[in-house]
Amino acid sequence: EAGVTQFPSHSVIEKGQTVTLRCDPISGHDNLYWYRRVMGKEIKFLLHFVKESKQDESGMPNNRFLAERTGGTYSTLKVQPAELEDSGVYFCASSQDGNYGYTFGSGTRLTVV
Amino acid sequence: DQQVKQNSPSLSVQEGRISILNCDYTNSMFDYFLWYKKYPAEGPTFLISISSIKDKNEDGRFTVFLNKSAKHLSLHIVPSQPGDSAVYFCAARGSNDYKLSFGAGTTVTVRA
Repeated sequence: EAGVTQFPSHSVIEKGQTVTLRCDPISGHDNLYWYRRVMGKEIKFLLHFVKESKQDESGMPNNRFLAERTGGTYSTLKVQPAELEDSGVYFCASSQDGNYGYTFGSGTRLTVV
Repeated sequence: DQQVKQNSPSLSVQEGRISILNCDYTNSMFDYFLWYKKYPAEGPTFLISISSIKDKNEDGRFTVFLNKSAKHLSLHIVPSQPGDSAVYFCAARGSNDYKLSFGAGTTVTVRA
């Protein structure tokens, strides 16, 4: 089966611009997660979708971040306007249930300059 | 506040020897613990897990030990192989929580 796909793999944008990251989960996985790793630190939870509904968005840093999962398939994470501290690697993951480890995508490396 | 801590950012070990990675947690509600392995430019991949009702889980060359009273777990890799060179993340969650809390990772380098 195809894994979790993230696009783009890299993005370099200027401060104040908008960037949209996309994640295609494994087909049939109802649970979709966004995580972020900043500057080699821990991987931090951003939010969790169950199908198209936001189950937990407690990790979203502020209202410049907007996540959607229309139709319960792929998800997008938009950062608008981007700030320097938003730089990092954004990982998407999916799972059928939460009993075992997720499957992560390869991540999108975002650099805000 | 960081609830999962990996205090050793790096570990170098000779091929064939044992690698021991340590992880401490502060949240007593955590009851399921996982280790992930990450290669450069790839996402983390699930390696091994342990439930709080156990104190040891083994899968081939990988063994995870859990000491609940000390809020400490460790991952043993034996024997270490060059392909084990990667970043290893410790993660934890509560019983009804899908959200994972991760440590900052330990970079393992296996020397030939």
